[in-house]
Amino acid sequence: EDQVTQSPEALRLQEGESSSLNCSYTVSGLRGLFWYRQDPGKGPEFLFTLYSAGEEKEKERLKATLTKKESFLHITAPKPEDSATYLCAVQGSSNTGKLIFGQGTTLQVKP
Amino acid sequence: GAVVSQHPSRVICKSGTSVKIECRSLDFQATTMFWYRQFPKQSLMLMATSNEGSKATYEQGVEKDKFLINHASLTLSTLTVTSAHPEDSSFYICSARDSGGAYNEQFFGPGTRLTVL
Repeated sequence: EDQVTQSPEALRLQEGESSSLNCSYTVSGLRGLFWYRQDPGKGPEFLFTLYSAGEEKEKERLKATLTKKESFLHITAPKPEDSATYLCAVQGSSNTGKLIFGQGTTLQVKP
Repeated sequence: GAVVSQHPSRVICKSGTSVKIECRSLDFQATTMFWYRQFPKQSLMLMATSNEGSKATYEQGVEKDKFLINHASLTLSTLTVTSAHPEDSSFYICSARDSGGAYNEQFFGPGTRLTVL
């Protein structure tokens, strides 16, 4: 069964304090691992797709990496506006495009 | 690009009434759309997969007669909550996959907050 586990559940950082969010997954035939950002009361905003181990993608202060078992979302020198819930999801070859989501990591960045 | 809209953004209705939520892909075609439900401080729970021109596929435990899904065109899917009750109050979010895209990204709508009195 495809499964995604995110840690930590919640993370508090001071502005400028870099850290990483973890997404561990088990999936039969990874077709893609996705990172989304969700603000309260809004739909998830697409950040990255990773397809194979060793792949990395960057966007502003965010960098996503992928291994065969997990993905990391690195946040460099975060700002208060980076505060949000970050969701990780996988799509396996055994399902019809469905995304299996983790529980998310709620990030709070204090000024 | 890759914009998905939902309408309405908020709806309040009386118990027993039906509510229709629309999901539109504004700048791409989507043969497949997905409907999710999200409870406070929880992750997204997939309810059903909406396929253009065919019946929706529902996840285990989701009542297909209560949550009617219609995907009549490549840019529009609708979710109708029939005979709504207070326990149906939730945040409903749709997503759409770009049929013509080279990748598998799903793009999400802004969500619809349903409150059943």
